[in-house]
Amino acid sequence: GIQVEQSPPDLILQEGANSTLRCNFSDSVNNLQWFHQNPWGQLINLFYIPSGTKQNGRLSATTVATERYSLLYISSSQTTDSGVYFCAVKANQAGTALIFGKGTTLSVSS
Amino acid sequence: DSGVTQTPKHLITATGQRVTLRCSPRSGDLSVYWYQQSLDQGLQFLIQYYNGEERAKGNILERFSAQQFPDLHSELNLSSLELGDSALYFCASSVGKFTGELFFGEGSRLTVL
Repeated sequence: GIQVEQSPPDLILQEGANSTLRCNFSDSVNNLQWFHQNPWGQLINLFYIPSGTKQNGRLSATTVATERYSLLYISSSQTTDSGVYFCAVKANQAGTALIFGKGTTLSVSS
Repeated sequence: DSGVTQTPKHLITATGQRVTLRCSPRSGDLSVYWYQQSLDQGLQFLIQYYNGEERAKGNILERFSAQQFPDLHSELNLSSLELGDSALYFCASSVGKFTGELFFGEGSRLTVL
């Protein structure tokens, strides 16, 4: 099945810093999503981005499908950005499902 | 609020018991997915239903079963529970059968003692 690798596994930032999270995947996809899991366990949708670039406030994402990677940019980090960021992908084949990477744990301190 | 509703939010039970987790998808969504999140296995896909029919299957144990009812809500049944089944169980929904954005519920946290 499709493989998803996220890097870095852990990231520690001071408030106000910028960061880039990376997601590599091993096959062509028809779905790629970025999620934020907050300390209460909720999975919050950030982006649905199988290709192209999107922005939402301080967050933006880019997926280069032909090169099989996606990047999540967080600018001007806030303590509320802390949590685990997951990339999830679905291979472009019937009968497959959205598969999650192991996540990047972000800690933002004030 | 994603629009996906899961009950119960928390459940504590004993080994050997059976529990049922319930999920109501977002209005208009026909696909329902179940995922398990444990500390050692991460977020694992269990099973997908689309409009009442099973569409995709992941690493779902034989002790676990699921179904989607005509009103599109879904139930995940976990039986002969073991300590290792303690986890956060998520339900998600989407409009389409093969693609489209998934939206997740808040999860049901199961503790097996």
